[in-house]
Amino acid sequence: GAGVSQSPRYKVTKRGQDVALRCDPISGHVSLYWYRQALGQGPEFLTYFNYEAQQDKSGLPNDRFSAERPEGSISTLTIQRTEQRDSAMYRCASSLAGADTQYFGPGTRLTVL
Amino acid sequence: GDSVTQMEGPVTLSEEAFLTINCTYTATGYPSLFWYVQYPGEGLQLLLKATKADDKGSNKGFEATYRKETTSFHLEKGSVQVSDSAVYFCALRPNSGGGADGLTFGKGTHLIIQP
Repeated sequence: GAGVSQSPRYKVTKRGQDVALRCDPISGHVSLYWYRQALGQGPEFLTYFNYEAQQDKSGLPNDRFSAERPEGSISTLTIQRTEQRDSAMYRCASSLAGADTQYFGPGTRLTVL
Repeated sequence: GDSVTQMEGPVTLSEEAFLTINCTYTATGYPSLFWYVQYPGEGLQLLLKATKADDKGSNKGFEATYRKETTSFHLEKGSVQVSDSAVYFCALRPNSGGGADGLTFGKGTHLIIQP
């Protein structure tokens, strides 16, 4: 079946612009996670949802970052007023309810000029 | 907070050599432990996992044993192949009892296998 998909795969934007990154989880997966991965580092947890409810946003670096999952399926991670330090790979993952195994999408490479 | 430390790379080995990638963790309670792999040009894939002390995860010839006494989850393979060249990430998930939680990853170890 289809895996986790993310769009766009690559995004180049200018400093100060807003960007929206999309994640489409595996069908039937209740939990959805967002991570950020800087070059040469491991993924860093940002936030996660069970269904449409955001359960933990402790990893969001500041209030320019927000996420939503209004219908409990597709999720959008929005970064407002982007800065060069926001440049990274943004990864989405999904899992069955309470399950250990998370399945990752291909990621969105964000470059802020 | 929780943390994962894994050996720095790159690790360069010849084909058929024995592989060990060290991973240690700091966490409260009894986390679940994972190894993820990222092949060139691809996304993260789960390689193996272990959910309680003394469990051994295995897949594709790789093995790792959950050692609570040493807080370690070292990845091993008896005979590596060129196709094993990738970046390997050790990770943990806290068992907080509150349902799904985000993973904490190590920095990754780049493995290069030479023919």
